[in-house]
Order: sequence, then C-alpha cells, then structure tokens
Amino acid sequence: DGGITQSPKYLFRKEGQNVTLSCEQNLNHDAMYWYRQDPGQGLRLIYYSQIVNDFQKGDIAEGYSVSREKKESFPLTVTSAQKNPTAFYLCASSIQLGQRYEQYFGPGTRLTVT
Amino acid sequence: AQSVTQLGSHVSVSEGALVLLRCNYSSSVPPYLFWYVQYPNQGLQLLLKYTTGATLVKGINGFEAEFKKSETSFHLTKPSAHMSDAAEYFCAVSGANQAGTALIFGKGTTLSVSS
Repeated sequence: DGGITQSPKYLFRKEGQNVTLSCEQNLNHDAMYWYRQDPGQGLRLIYYSQIVNDFQKGDIAEGYSVSREKKESFPLTVTSAQKNPTAFYLCASSIQLGQRYEQYFGPGTRLTVT
Repeated sequence: AQSVTQLGSHVSVSEGALVLLRCNYSSSVPPYLFWYVQYPNQGLQLLLKYTTGATLVKGINGFEAEFKKSETSFHLTKPSAHMSDAAEYFCAVSGANQAGTALIFGKGTTLSVSS
C-alpha cells in the first residue's frame, strides 16, 4: 500500500537534546512538508521541499532543520534551540509543489520534551 | 494574504441530525479550498477539495461543501450525522506562500455526535 510513514509514534526527550523525526513516503511524490500541530492552533508549516537537495523554510522554521537526500525521505530535526518543542508533528507530501495538488498526511509523531 | 476562519471550535449534534461546519476564507487569488478530518492521534485525511468548476463539491463519507465566492465561504455539510463522524475537522486554503503551495489551516472544529 502506498502512503506516508512516520516513526516513532511517540517520542520522549530531555530538554537540551536534539531529536530527529522520520518521514518516509512511497507515493513517488516530489513535494514533502512538515507541520506542527498544537491544541486549538491548527497546523503550521515548518519546512517544505519540492525536490531532492532543496528545501525552504515555512512559517515557524526557527529551531528546526531538515534534509532531503532521497526523494522518499524528509527527516526533521528538532534542535535544542526550539523553545517549545512539545507538539504533534505531521509530515505530508504532494505530487508536485503547487496550489492545485492536495497534500497527503502521515499518522504523526507526538514529541514530548521534559 | 490568505487566511481561514472556522466559526465554532466545538459543534455538537445528535445522531441523524444535520452537520454544518462553517469555514470562511480570505484570499487575494482564486482559492483552492480543502476540508480534512482528523481522528484522535492520527494524521489528516482529505474529505473533499474545491479547485475550479462546480461549486458544490462532494466528498467521502457523505460530506459535501459549497464554494460561495460572494460570501467567501466553504461550509461543510452532511445531511445525517453518524457516531463515526465524531472527529476534528480542518478547513484549509492553499497558495499562501511564495511558492504558492503552503496550506493555511483554520484552527479546527471538533464535532461531537450523541446518540
């Protein structure tokens, strides 16, 4: 079955540690995205990528980093510089970058930092 | 700049009643509009989308939405609610950033269905 996988589903870290969230897709989509979801806030865009080795900052990129070395993979690193990292993180992909293409979402990773 | 407002953070209906979830948008370009559903601790699933053409859009699970340009609205409806419809619903508009691709989401509406 084609889709997006995110691992792990739940992640716990101590404050001051970097942590990397995995996102893999087998939909052969060019574009991939990372969103952060907080209760009552909707989703906010962290980073997006339209092609391998290229990515752009979204609205709330500070304290996060990404890489896109393979078409299928778009890992997100939450660094110690992110002031409030506890949140639900969603990865998405679309066939191409562009307004008309709907985004498909993975199941999410819930990160808790204490 | 694009924006989305979902009126009502929480809507409660009885099983079998009409479901109406409200969404108003602001867009400086012709909008592409989406409704997504999210069940607890899961990702988002696309319910329906409006791109161009017919203004009444039918989606999965019996949901539909009507694009009304004059009212800048894209309300989601379902004639008869089921218990399984209880979830959080997000309206989104695309085209917000310089790449024209980012989705701008509303803050979500939680739908509760009682028997």
